[in-house]
Amino acid sequence: SQQGEEDPQALSIQEGENATMNCSYKTSINNLQWYRQNSGRGLVHLILIRSNEREKHSGRLRVTLDTSKKSSSLLITASRAADTASYFCATAPLGSGNTGKLIFGQGTTLQVKP
Amino acid sequence: SQTIHQWPATLVQPVGSPLSLECTVEGTSNPNLYWYRQAAGRGLQLLFYSVGIGQISSEVPQNLSASRPQDRQFILSSKKLLLSDSGFYLCAWSEAPTGTSYEQYFGPGTRLTVT
Repeated sequence: SQQGEEDPQALSIQEGENATMNCSYKTSINNLQWYRQNSGRGLVHLILIRSNEREKHSGRLRVTLDTSKKSSSLLITASRAADTASYFCATAPLGSGNTGKLIFGQGTTLQVKP
Repeated sequence: SQTIHQWPATLVQPVGSPLSLECTVEGTSNPNLYWYRQAAGRGLQLLFYSVGIGQISSEVPQNLSASRPQDRQFILSSKKLLLSDSGFYLCAWSEAPTGTSYEQYFGPGTRLTVT
């Protein structure tokens, strides 16, 4: 079953603006990851945040994690047209052992207009 | 560096025909391997994963099967395709995790259309 649910489903902004996407999940996790997918392509890993971390940065990306609310947010600052893509959160369930399984949400489609 | 290959890139098959999609990974040993399906505009559904040669776990009962004949080769098969098997199939690998899940690296995908 899908655990991660992203909000909003679609987001359209102007170049230079910030984009915020949210993810909610249901069960306890080891970590939460964000991926990006350009149309018709495979997914690319963006960032991983562990369950004992609250915030993480990577370039123009900022991820927060609130395990008490079972939610995460991805902020892309100073967006560019090249950021246009779908963004997925994926959770690593606690107790998944050596399977490495991830549960993906439905994604947020981001359009950045030049 | 590690690379992951999938082929074919696109495939159009009639209902009832067999299917074989192949995925290979280079530059790593003993990876975990995953097959996902993505319906149009939707998230990823995990179909199968493998933690070693010959070890396959199925997540969703269906008419698909998977095999791992070699350490870095993962094959998705079907004896008879259904219309509902249409979708975008993605293979991914990760380092063999120790108690938690690591990031996954995805192939370019195969677009399957069953007619």
